[in-house]
Amino acid sequence: DVKVTQSSRYLVKRTGEKVFLECVQDMDHENMFWYRQDPGLGLRLIYFSYDVKMKEKGDIPEGYSVSREKKERFSLILESASTNQTSMYLCASSPNDRVGPQHFGDGTRLSIL
Amino acid sequence: GEDVEQSLFLSVREGDSSVINCTYTDSSSTYLYWYKQEPGAGLQLLTYIFSNMDMKQDQRLTVLLNKKDKHLSLRIADTQTGDSAIYFCAESMNYGGSQGNLIFGKGTKLSVKP
Repeated sequence: DVKVTQSSRYLVKRTGEKVFLECVQDMDHENMFWYRQDPGLGLRLIYFSYDVKMKEKGDIPEGYSVSREKKERFSLILESASTNQTSMYLCASSPNDRVGPQHFGDGTRLSIL
Repeated sequence: GEDVEQSLFLSVREGDSSVINCTYTDSSSTYLYWYKQEPGAGLQLLTYIFSNMDMKQDQRLTVLLNKKDKHLSLRIADTQTGDSAIYFCAESMNYGGSQGNLIFGKGTKLSVKP
C-alpha cells in the first residue's frame, strides 16, 4: 500500500528558528510535492521535485527551500520561521506516469510563536 | 490561468445522496481526481476519471464528467456520518514542466446530519 510519512504531526517553533519538515515515501515515486493549507485558501504549492537533486518553485516559494538528496525523501526548510508560516503542511508523491495521482501524508501542523 | 471551482459547503441528512460539483478550465486535462480530507488528516485519494470517460462508479461513489461543460461531480449514495469531510476536486496539468502537478479546488465541506 502507498505510504507517505511526515516526520511530525504537530510542531511548535519560535520566530527566527530554522525549521525542517521531513517527508518520506516508500513507493519509489519520482515526483514529490510540498503544499501548505490555510482556511479559505485551499492548497498552495510551495515546491516540487521531479527527481533526486532537482527542485522547482511552486506558487509560494518565498521563505522556504527544499532538499532532495535521496529519491524517497523530500525536506522542506523554513530558513527563518515567521508567524505567517503557521499552517498545515502537506507532503505528496506521485509516479511519473500518465495517471499519476498524488498520494498525501497525514500533514504537519506547524505553529510559529 | 487554470482554475478549479467548487462550492464551499454542502449539508445533507444521513441516508440521502450527496452531490458535490466542480468546474475546471483546462480542457486538455487528462485526469480528474476526487480527494477526501478528514479533520486533522492529509488528503485521501477517493477516485479518479480519465477525460475520455463520462462516468465511473465505485461502490457508493459515482463520478460524472461533462467534458463539454468542464463539469465534474461526485455522488455519494446513502451518505453516512463518516462521510463528513472536505472533498477536493483536482485536475491534472498538461503543459511543459508540469509532470505530475495538479490544480486543486478549495474544497467542499460536507456535513452529514443524523
